[in-house]
Amino acid sequence: DTAVSQTPKYLVTQMGNDKSIKCEQNLGHDTMYWYKQDSKKFLKIMFSYNNKELIINETVPNRFSPKSPDKAHLNLHINSLELGDSAVYFCASSPQGGWEKLFFGSGTQLSVL
Amino acid sequence: GIQVEQSPPDLILQEGANSTLRCNFSDSVNNLQWFHQNPWGQLINLFYIPSGTKQNGRLSATTVATERYSLLYISSSQTTDSGVYFCAVEQGQAGTALIFGKGTTLSVSS
Repeated sequence: DTAVSQTPKYLVTQMGNDKSIKCEQNLGHDTMYWYKQDSKKFLKIMFSYNNKELIINETVPNRFSPKSPDKAHLNLHINSLELGDSAVYFCASSPQGGWEKLFFGSGTQLSVL
Repeated sequence: GIQVEQSPPDLILQEGANSTLRCNFSDSVNNLQWFHQNPWGQLINLFYIPSGTKQNGRLSATTVATERYSLLYISSSQTTDSGVYFCAVEQGQAGTALIFGKGTTLSVSS
């Protein structure tokens, strides 16, 4: 039943490791996003894909690489994790580039030790 | 870029009280949404409201696009209303996404 699902919910790892977060939506939406929420709850857009095509790539270290195998999936791979990467990462989707309601996944809390 | 300011930053209420949250934005927008992040971290979309007024149960929202603000009204607040309320806007040009305000943290006690 879950509309936007992301896994894992918690990710604890050591500095320097590589990790991935997966996201899937079953709403039939064309556009998917990754947002980062910092410790002060501030939400910031990282990436956006429309029908598997990258349309937004904010100023994010190139250690972060999104991949969209199809329009229902958007994964986030992070190389060489740093302490400052600790945050909650949210996947989201919308029908048409954000012109309608945005729906969020439940978030992945990443802790880099 | 567009600036989004929310007020107040924090709000403490007794159960049953009413409240108004405000969102000001610095430029014209084509998209405005309100979200509630509950204490467990889940982000729930409350309203898509680029202009006009909408109501959903005890919650209603009004956006006056020409004056660049939106208001979220919560009536007869309940403890389950606690959490952070975010306003987010988008200007609508190609390659943009919702820009979030810093939120209003609401605590409702019984």
